[in-house]
Amino acid sequence: EVQLVESGGVVVQPGGSLRLSCAASGFTFDDYMMHWVRQAPGKGLEWVSLISWDGGSTYYADSVKGRFTISRDNTKNSLFLQMNSLTTEDTALYYCAKGYRAGSIDYWGQGTLVTVSS
Amino acid sequence: DIQMTQSPSSLSASVGDRVTITCRASQSISSYLNWYQQKPRKAPKLLIYAASSLHSGVPSRFSGSGSGTDFTLTISSLQPEDFATYYCQQSHSTPRTFGQGTKVEIK
Repeated sequence: EVQLVESGGVVVQPGGSLRLSCAASGFTFDDYMMHWVRQAPGKGLEWVSLISWDGGSTYYADSVKGRFTISRDNTKNSLFLQMNSLTTEDTALYYCAKGYRAGSIDYWGQGTLVTVSS
Repeated sequence: DIQMTQSPSSLSASVGDRVTITCRASQSISSYLNWYQQKPRKAPKLLIYAASSLHSGVPSRFSGSGSGTDFTLTISSLQPEDFATYYCQQSHSTPRTFGQGTKVEIK
């Protein structure tokens, strides 16, 4: 059974930093690209970032480019999101998600809540 | 960046109704269009990928069509468990943008 378990979400002040983690199991982690997708309270889904199976290619939404860094450790079946220079606009539930056919996403974690507030 | 526009933003329908949701891309995305269902306080679920391929385990009342810039998600006979918010997403290029969502409510 595929499982994606996010952690690291907390309350942080504007301008602060945070690192999210996602522990993956139930599939061959290094065969798949992985995503981070976020959802602000009461809002729609916003794609954040994508990393290739080997970590060699990374992509970002314009809203986080230059502030967030996606990475992975295939030896530990783990995905990460380093978040710097946080603003209140980054407050959201952050989902770790597994890539699938034609660039779709077939599995999502339950999310970890990041709140940026003074 | 490719913008994805869904319509309507919300709709009210009855059990048994045929429901159609449209998604338009700001430029051609070939068939790189995916549909997701999200229920309150739950993670999204993949319904359709590559515009018309039904994901494993998804009921056959769900179908997708379209290519280029215009796409449709159809629920042939709405069931009580289908009341949810539906999102399209393009996977043609990065950033991988989502539509704003369509909320399907009980009439």
